[in-house]
Amino acid sequence: EVQLVESGGDLVQPGGSLRLSCAASGFTFNKNAMSWVRQAPGKGLEWVSTITDSGAGTYYADSVKGRFTISRDNSKNTLYLHVMNLRAEDTAVYYCVKSWVGGTTPNAFDIWGHGTMVAVSS
Amino acid sequence: DIQMTQSPSTLSASVGDTVTITCRASESISSWLAWYQQKPGKAPKLLIFKASSLETGVPSRFSGSGSGTEFTLTISSLHPDDFATYYCHQYDTFLSSFGQGTKLEIK
Repeated sequence: EVQLVESGGDLVQPGGSLRLSCAASGFTFNKNAMSWVRQAPGKGLEWVSTITDSGAGTYYADSVKGRFTISRDNSKNTLYLHVMNLRAEDTAVYYCVKSWVGGTTPNAFDIWGHGTMVAVSS
Repeated sequence: DIQMTQSPSTLSASVGDTVTITCRASESISSWLAWYQQKPGKAPKLLIFKASSLETGVPSRFSGSGSGTEFTLTISSLHPDDFATYYCHQYDTFLSSFGQGTKLEIK
């Protein structure tokens, strides 16, 4: 069974940092691009970041550029999102998502994790 | 960056109705568009990719069409399980983006 399991979400103060992790199983992890998508409480979906299969290419939404870093460890089948200088508007459920096919071209997101909650508040 | 505009924001319908949701891109995205269904407290689920291709296991009452900047999701003969929020998603480049969502409510 294809599965993505996120962890690392927490309540943090403004300006704080976290590392989100996503453990992947049931597919060949190093063949797929991976992404993070977030959803603020009661709001819509917002694409956050994507990394290509090898990790050579990384892409960010303007709202997080310079503060968030996406990475992957293909030997551990794990995706990461290092989030820094957190703001109240970063409060959201963060979903780990798998691209449908391919690792070096954009694609639809066919598998989603259950999400991990990040809350930024003093 | 490419902006996606969905309409309507809310749609009221009855079981058995046919409904259509529209998504417009701020520039041409060819057919690089997907549709997702999300229920409260759950992760989104892929319904359609490449504008009109049905994901495996998705009922055939769901269909997608369009290319360039105008796209539609049609749900024929609504089932009770179809009342949810729907999002379009463009992936013309790695800088992807979502529409703001359409909440499909029971009339």
